[in-house]
Order: sequence, then structure tokens, then C-alpha cells
Amino acid sequence: SYELTQPPSVSVSPGQTERITCSGDALPKKYVYWYQQKSGQAPVLVIYEDNKRPAGVPERFSGSSSGTMATLTISGAQMEDEADYYCFSTDNSGKGLFGGGTKLTVL
Amino acid sequence: QVQLQESGPGLVKPSETLSLTCTVSGGTINSDYWSWIRQSPGGGLKWIGYISHSGHTNYLPSLRSRVTMSIDTSKTHFSLNLTSVTAADTAVYFCARVRYSDSAGYYPDSWGRGTLVSVSS
Repeated sequence: SYELTQPPSVSVSPGQTERITCSGDALPKKYVYWYQQKSGQAPVLVIYEDNKRPAGVPERFSGSSSGTMATLTISGAQMEDEADYYCFSTDNSGKGLFGGGTKLTVL
Repeated sequence: QVQLQESGPGLVKPSETLSLTCTVSGGTINSDYWSWIRQSPGGGLKWIGYISHSGHTNYLPSLRSRVTMSIDTSKTHFSLNLTSVTAADTAVYFCARVRYSDSAGYYPDSWGRGTLVSVSS
């Protein structure tokens, strides 16, 4: 079955840049969306349609996609960015799915 | 700004039916699509499916035989029924608004806070 693959965890020092990847065979033809989920809270959309940022999301969050891989970049990470990050897309039959999630640690 | 709130029993017995309702406020349920997503304890997010304002549904294939979503546009809520539950269905269940377009596909944007449903005798 189709899957979106993310690294389980990444870590970054405050002020540094970190990239979280999401890979999937259908991504060349499908948009990717990124969500931030802090502990005990509902997910929040931080990137839509590969690289667009919703109102209110800090500019340090950016997205890109090339071929079978999409990337969420956090430039100048802050302590409050520590969270789980999930990518979302659809497969070729239109079924939605999330990546396995990446735990971002800021230390 | 649209707000969503899940409600329903927090405990369901094995083999019974899990029923949840999502109440929508601050926006109209007569447009957009509406979805359910769940998250097992300590696990990742899992898409369950969506229902359109006109009642068109799209379910995760592995749950399709047990899932039914419905929508009541006059009462501004939509619902999830999941039959024959087991302990594996224990999760936080989120409802979310779905943005849909023929060109860009679809994605959940505004989420409820989630409600924990435990399956246990």
C-alpha cells in the first residue's frame, strides 16, 4: 500500500535550520501539506499546497517539493517549535494519508 | 473563524458501535467537506475519511466495511459511526474541516480539539 515516509526524529539547536522530509511515489503529481502538533493539542496547518504558508504561521516555516520528496524547513528554530510534524497528501486513487510523523527536538 | 467540537462516549465496549458527533460553529456546514481523523495513544495521525455537504463520502479502504459518516446540514453537525470496535480502535478522534478543489485535491485545515475514545469491557 502507498505510504508517506518521514524520519522518526530530528534535533536542532535554537537559531539553527532544520529540514524534515516526506517521501512518496505519488508526490510528483500531488500536493503536500504539513501539520505541527504540540503535546496534547490538535494539529495545526503550517504549510499547504507544498509551499504556501497560512496566515499567522511564522515566516521561518517554509515548504518545497521536488520529485518524490517534499521538505519542511524551519529556519532559525525556536524553542516553541518543538513538536511532532506530519505531512499529508493523497494517493493516486484520491485516498488521504499522513506520514508517520517526525518528532522535532530543539536543544 | 470556524470552530469544531467533538462529542460522544469516552468508553465503548468491544464489538459495539462507536458514535461521535462534530458540531460546527462560526461557519456554514453547507459548503466544504468534513472529515474524521484518529490518533492511537503515542501513535501517529490516521485519516479515516470525509463527507461532503451533499453526503458524498470517501473512506479509508481498511475501515470502509465498518465506517459510516453522515451530515445534518440543518443542525450544523456531522457524525461518525464505527461498528464492531476492538481495542485497536482506542484513539483520540479528531473532526476537521476539509478544503477541497478539483485542481489541488483536499486537506484538513481547521481541527477540533479531539476526544479520547477507549474500547474496553
